[in-house]
Amino acid sequence: AQSVTQLGSHVSVSEGALVLLRCNYSSSVPPYLFWYVQYPNQGLQLLLKYTSAATLVKGINGFEAEFKKSETSFHLTKPSAHMSDAAEYFCAVSANTGGFKTIFGAGTRLFVKA
Amino acid sequence: DGGITQSPKYLFRKEGQNVTLSCEQNLNHDAMYWYRQDPGQGLRLIYYSQIVNDFQKGDIAEGYSVSREKKESFPLTVTSAQKNPTAFYLCASSMTGELFFGEGSRLTVL
Repeated sequence: AQSVTQLGSHVSVSEGALVLLRCNYSSSVPPYLFWYVQYPNQGLQLLLKYTSAATLVKGINGFEAEFKKSETSFHLTKPSAHMSDAAEYFCAVSANTGGFKTIFGAGTRLFVKA
Repeated sequence: DGGITQSPKYLFRKEGQNVTLSCEQNLNHDAMYWYRQDPGQGLRLIYYSQIVNDFQKGDIAEGYSVSREKKESFPLTVTSAQKNPTAFYLCASSMTGELFFGEGSRLTVL
């Protein structure tokens, strides 16, 4: 069975500050891990994915995430927040055994203050 | 451009009516999915299909039905048996695990 926990339903940062969105996962098989971003009234867009290659994954818009197996974590970071980063972010996990089911966390809404 | 098209974007229906949400993709992906999104609950899987003429129930399939007669199309019907149908519905497709989403359909039942 797989699950995802996102710590903090809301995160607020100042423009230019570090963004850190936390995600912990549970998986009985080696996981694929994803971060998606959603702007209001739109679908989700893939930010980055981990598929058992490099543990530090770089994505679009300056975001990156590090897979830490010992901590079962996949936190999302960005060194300097921009106003356009304000959105909802979802961490997700799927099995890398060929299955197609993806489990999503509850989401974290990021607010960026000027 | 390749992508996923959902329609309608907004839909209002009276209680007791069945409604069908359209999802079409031109990405040539084998797998397609329907998710329901409610505030603070993330996305929950309704149905998924890995191949034409085959589909499986997800975690919250009760009150919903789907068909997959063509690779490009995966329509979702919200039936009158769905107790709380007001929600944002997202269709997605995939080939290698990552999901590609449509823009969503917001259903409001009055």
